[in-house]
Amino acid sequence: GAVVSQHPSRVICKSGTSVKIECRSLDFQATTMFWYRQFPKQSLMLMATSNEGSKATYEQGVEKDKFLINHASLTLSTLTVTSAHPEDSSFYICSPLGARVMNTEAFFGQGTRLTVV
Amino acid sequence: QKEVEQNSGPLSVPEGAIASLNCTYSDRGSQSFFWYRQYSGKSPELIMFIYSNGDKEDGRFTAQLNKASQYVSLLIRDSQPSDSATYLCAVKENTGNQFYFGTGTSLTVIP
Repeated sequence: GAVVSQHPSRVICKSGTSVKIECRSLDFQATTMFWYRQFPKQSLMLMATSNEGSKATYEQGVEKDKFLINHASLTLSTLTVTSAHPEDSSFYICSPLGARVMNTEAFFGQGTRLTVV
Repeated sequence: QKEVEQNSGPLSVPEGAIASLNCTYSDRGSQSFFWYRQYSGKSPELIMFIYSNGDKEDGRFTAQLNKASQYVSLLIRDSQPSDSATYLCAVKENTGNQFYFGTGTSLTVIP
């Protein structure tokens, strides 16, 4: 399967600060990146989809100015949670997709547990 | 809105028993179906995928797909305590790359 590296795995930040989460596809070129958020006892909720070199498409209810996504290269995408608040505390997971793996399963990063205090 | 539904559980089975997990989906045109296992605090990991009607077996796991009924299931034979986790059903849309996930079923295998 594909190798995906996401970090940090865990971060605690103060309310009002920003946090950047990185997701790297180590052995394939990720033309598309899905960013998910998962609250306790709930399933994965798609936040946004980004294609390399273009602006991300955000799901309804997700603020694009708060969750900044950069997908400038085929191996790296970042999600920045700006002006974080306690309600942003969640488990964030990236899922890259490459052009050659379109018919296979979703691969996931290890996830980032964000706690905003 | 494409939907994937699972019983949230919790489902408890004794060690050595068969655990049966069920999933239904709304998009009749879906072609790819996946079962993921997620331990607490970890990201999902793939258990099985199935594309064709019928059964697909891999070790202690069997996935069953019935496209006419829009139903996919996962059977876990000889359940072990290490199987205790949340199991996510995922359906991949036919016309694009997006995956739709169910809410997950929490399974506890009792020693």
